[in-house]
Amino acid sequence: AQTVTQSQPEMSVQEAETVTLSCTYDTSESDYYLFWYKQPPSRQMILVIRQEAYKQQNATENRFSVNFQKAAKSFSLKISDSQLGDAAMYFCAYRSGINDYKLSFGAGTTVTVRA
Amino acid sequence: DSGVTQTPKHLITATGQRVTLRCSPRSGDLSVYWYQQSLDQGLQFLIHYYNGEERAKGNILERFSAQQFPDLHSELNLSSLELGDSALYFCASSVGHGGVDQETQYFGPGTRLLVL
Repeated sequence: AQTVTQSQPEMSVQEAETVTLSCTYDTSESDYYLFWYKQPPSRQMILVIRQEAYKQQNATENRFSVNFQKAAKSFSLKISDSQLGDAAMYFCAYRSGINDYKLSFGAGTTVTVRA
Repeated sequence: DSGVTQTPKHLITATGQRVTLRCSPRSGDLSVYWYQQSLDQGLQFLIHYYNGEERAKGNILERFSAQQFPDLHSELNLSSLELGDSALYFCASSVGHGGVDQETQYFGPGTRLLVL
């Protein structure tokens, strides 16, 4: 079974600054997908960014970017120019590219944005 | 708005009771997934249906069952409810055919279940 680890329970960032959330995973597969989901106080799960393991280029979505290190099995999320609306719980998730399509989630990181 | 709908939004019931949670996937999506989010267990995968057929099971209790109907909506049935079943239950959908865009799961707003 795949294990996803988010070692930072909480992170705090000043508005307009940058914060990086860490995520590591354990897998023996070579084909897989990684995701970051955001869960604001409304509890809705919102897709932030996704990365295919076979792509070397790091994914970017506006102010959100990832640092994907396949050999190290690391998948960090960088939030640039942090905004008050970025305050939420962020979950890293793994999905196999071969077997069942379930998402395996980390425990989450709560991001607080200071005005 | 992800396009995935779930009803009801909130559900309060008593121990020993049975409830049904409903999910309608995004238009065109054939796959439906159910997840449970609780304080002690985090986000856990329960079950996956694709075009009416069960494809994978996770840590789903025997008291829980699900199905996907011909119109592709899905229902999660929880019976003999216990206090520990109180959680947020999410439904997610995806197209269901290879490729990351097609396999990305989009989540509904969830059903908050409180068992008293």
